[in-house]
Amino acid sequence: GAVVSQHPSRVICKSGTSVKIECRSLDFQATTMFWYRQFPKQSLMLMATSNEGSKATYEQGVEKDKFLINHASLTLSTLTVTSAHPEDSSFYICSASIGASGYNEQFFGPGTRLTVL
Amino acid sequence: AQTVTQSQPEMSVQEAETVTLSCTYDTSENNYYLFWYKQPPSRQMILVIRQEAYKQQNATENRFSVNFQKAAKSFSLKISDSQLGDTAMYFCASLIMNRDDKIIFGKGTRLHILP
Repeated sequence: GAVVSQHPSRVICKSGTSVKIECRSLDFQATTMFWYRQFPKQSLMLMATSNEGSKATYEQGVEKDKFLINHASLTLSTLTVTSAHPEDSSFYICSASIGASGYNEQFFGPGTRLTVL
Repeated sequence: AQTVTQSQPEMSVQEAETVTLSCTYDTSENNYYLFWYKQPPSRQMILVIRQEAYKQQNATENRFSVNFQKAAKSFSLKISDSQLGDTAMYFCASLIMNRDDKIIFGKGTRLHILP
């Protein structure tokens, strides 16, 4: 199957700093990438959908100025958590899908654990 | 609205037994997909099985099979001959076609396979 990587796998930062998480599709071109947030022992909550070369579409309740998403190429999307605070500590997962029409399977990255002190 | 409900937060079964995880969903659409994903302790999401709503035949993947009851909007997962490696969180999920490929996940069922 297709492989999606995330970097870093875990990051610890101080409150008020910004953190960038990368999501890469390693062996395919992803038309769409998705960013999810998962709190401990909870489900995945979709944060935003990004298409290459266009602005991300954020889910209701997700602050677009807080969580900046850039999808600069067909293999790379980045999520930047700006001015991070302890409540932003979470597990962030990206996924990428192939294809432009019909059913497009999503392939998930291994996730990034963010801890804000 | 598109919702997915898993009513079993946690389950435990003995190795080699069969276990069924329940899932119900709600949608007014006709063209959709249903999934079961596995999330082991590594946190990597793994697609276990997929069902197209227009197909009446239940999907199967080796020891994993589903019971898809479209009228009842039920989509249960049966794991046969359970193995220790099946221990994980299992998420039921749905995707509505032509809705930006958004996957909506249920809250999950934590499954423990006991030796």
